[in-house]
Amino acid sequence: DAGVTQSPTHLIKTRGQQVTLRCSPKSGHDTVSWYQQALGQGPQFIFQYYEEEERQRGNFPDRFSGHQFPNYSSELNVNALLLGDSALYLCASSPTGEGVAFFGQGTRLTVV
Amino acid sequence: AQSVSQHNHHVILSEAASLELGCNYSYGGTVNLFWYVQYPGQHLQLLLKYFSGDPLVKGIKGFEAEFIKSKFSFNLRKPSVQWSDTAEYFCAVNVRGSTLGRLYFGRGTQLTVWP
Repeated sequence: DAGVTQSPTHLIKTRGQQVTLRCSPKSGHDTVSWYQQALGQGPQFIFQYYEEEERQRGNFPDRFSGHQFPNYSSELNVNALLLGDSALYLCASSPTGEGVAFFGQGTRLTVV
Repeated sequence: AQSVSQHNHHVILSEAASLELGCNYSYGGTVNLFWYVQYPGQHLQLLLKYFSGDPLVKGIKGFEAEFIKSKFSFNLRKPSVQWSDTAEYFCAVNVRGSTLGRLYFGRGTQLTVWP
């Protein structure tokens, strides 16, 4: 049983560019959340998708957007990249109602 | 707003020493509590969770945690650590009844165990 998979694992982008990160949830999970983990910090909630809609959002600007597909996979898009967007981006999936999140290995984004 | 505090940012122990990592949260309602562990080069893994019932919960690899509601605390313990316990440990909280389970994390504690 595959867990949560994310791609790519590492990415280097230039300021001002746009990036798309991808996530496939654990089998049987229909809720996908995205977190940003800056160096030396705990993960910070970006947003959550359920039934292809954004259901909750953390304190992140509109440059951060996402999408969930009918197969429950998800994308995180970040526009107009800033140096401060450099971080590990984590995807977590959970089955509705249980509240236990399973995490992928993350995508390490470096903005130069 | 909910917040989670982990008191120790870096803990260094010798093998067989006892471990206690502190975690406090600020939320007056009913919460679910978690400890996650991140081994070097690996993804975040669930160590243990508390939803309800016995406030002393046991997790994987000999870890346990005690929920003390009056102190808003959920401290992680292990009586005898091993070198393989070297990892970063995160305490997390979500609001019960929020079925979509948004997690609030502490900033983490890096545990280094010397053989």
